[in-house]
Amino acid sequence: QKEVEQNSGPLSVPEGAIASLNCTYSDRVSQSFFWYRQYSGKSPELIMSIYSNGDKEDGRFTAQLNKASQYVSLLIRDSQPSDSATYLCAVNINSGYSTLTFGKGTMLLVSP
Amino acid sequence: EAGVTQSPTHLIKTRGQQATLRCSPISGHTSVYWYQQALGLGLQFLLWYDEGEERNRGNFPPRFSGRQFPNYSSELNVNALELEDSALYLCASSARQGRADTQYFGPGTRLTVL
Repeated sequence: QKEVEQNSGPLSVPEGAIASLNCTYSDRVSQSFFWYRQYSGKSPELIMSIYSNGDKEDGRFTAQLNKASQYVSLLIRDSQPSDSATYLCAVNINSGYSTLTFGKGTMLLVSP
Repeated sequence: EAGVTQSPTHLIKTRGQQATLRCSPISGHTSVYWYQQALGLGLQFLLWYDEGEERNRGNFPPRFSGRQFPNYSSELNVNALELEDSALYLCASSARQGRADTQYFGPGTRLTVL
């Protein structure tokens, strides 16, 4: 069973702090990794994709991938109350079937 | 550039009825994916269409079906509706070129089964 695991949270951080969101996946052949943000009642919005081991930065967001440990994380620097949302980790197992397996998401709460 | 669009926004049906949900992908995208997100649950993959063909199917009963039209828009049909079909149904699209696995979501259709 190919799975993606996330801590459901909520993860509470004060405004201005760094929020660290974690995700583990079970299938070693996974190739592509995505972070989506979903506000309550809305659809997921793509934040970042990462394909290679290491860090990838985009503004206040940094994705980190460690394929050996089957672990991907998202860091949000200078967290803002508007970052309060559920963050979904998604993994694409590039076996010819272009579908994403999603974790259940981590709820992030940023307090002013 | 217009994003993925879905219609209707909300749909209310009763048990046993059929529901039809529609999706238009981003211009230039050829793949359409359907997901179900029930309250408190994660996104569950339903169907993947590309170039008019069903490419993959999630673990859902056959009463969930769909199709993709020549203009790459797609339709999801749910027959014999059950109460547990109440959920947010999300459509996503991806391009054929470049990172074909990057999916962009539409706003969703909220289906309520009474």
